[in-house]
Amino acid sequence: QEKVQQSPESLIVPEGAMVSLNCSFSDSASQSIWWYQQHPGKGPKALISIFSNGNKKEGRLTVYLNRASLHVSLHIKDSQPSDSAVYLCAVSMYSNYQLIWGSGTKLIIKP
Amino acid sequence: AQTIHQWPVAEIKAVGSPLSLGCTIKGKSSPNLYWYWQATGGTLQQLFYSITVGQVESVVQLNLSASRPKDDQFILSTEKLLLSHSGFYLCAWSWGTSQNTLYFGAGTRLSVL
Repeated sequence: QEKVQQSPESLIVPEGAMVSLNCSFSDSASQSIWWYQQHPGKGPKALISIFSNGNKKEGRLTVYLNRASLHVSLHIKDSQPSDSAVYLCAVSMYSNYQLIWGSGTKLIIKP
Repeated sequence: AQTIHQWPVAEIKAVGSPLSLGCTIKGKSSPNLYWYWQATGGTLQQLFYSITVGQVESVVQLNLSASRPKDDQFILSTEKLLLSHSGFYLCAWSWGTSQNTLYFGAGTRLSVL
């Protein structure tokens, strides 16, 4: 059974800092990896996804995937208080219609 | 633009009572539809998905069932609620046959007492 683990559980950083979030998965056959943002009481919102080894940048977000080490990281540049949320890592496995989710990292950006 | 609407917003139900939660997607034909459950402070757990009307695949049942009576509608139900059913239920949609972005609804908060 695919497992997805995220670290740290929570993170508090000052506004403007670079944020780094980690996600490890247990099966190298996993396909795409997604990062979602979830505010309290709301549904998750997709941020960025990656399939191939290497990195992908979109705006203030950069994601790095290393399939050999089964690790993916999300980096948020110039963090803002509105970035405060839970960040979820999700890995597609078994089919195009199933995702395995990590337990999330709670991020707080202090003004 | 596509919109996803979940109902009700919140429910308080007694153990052993029936439940029906609904989800409607407008502005997209033949979407893939999903039901997720999230315990308070817990991990998202996929329950069901459907890629066409009348067909639903179970991922984890948790004594729940799902149906897709129309192209744009997904229903989650049970005849007898358990305490363990409490949590946050989310409907989502994606489009196409390759792995695509999930778009989530606002969710239904269920408390079983």
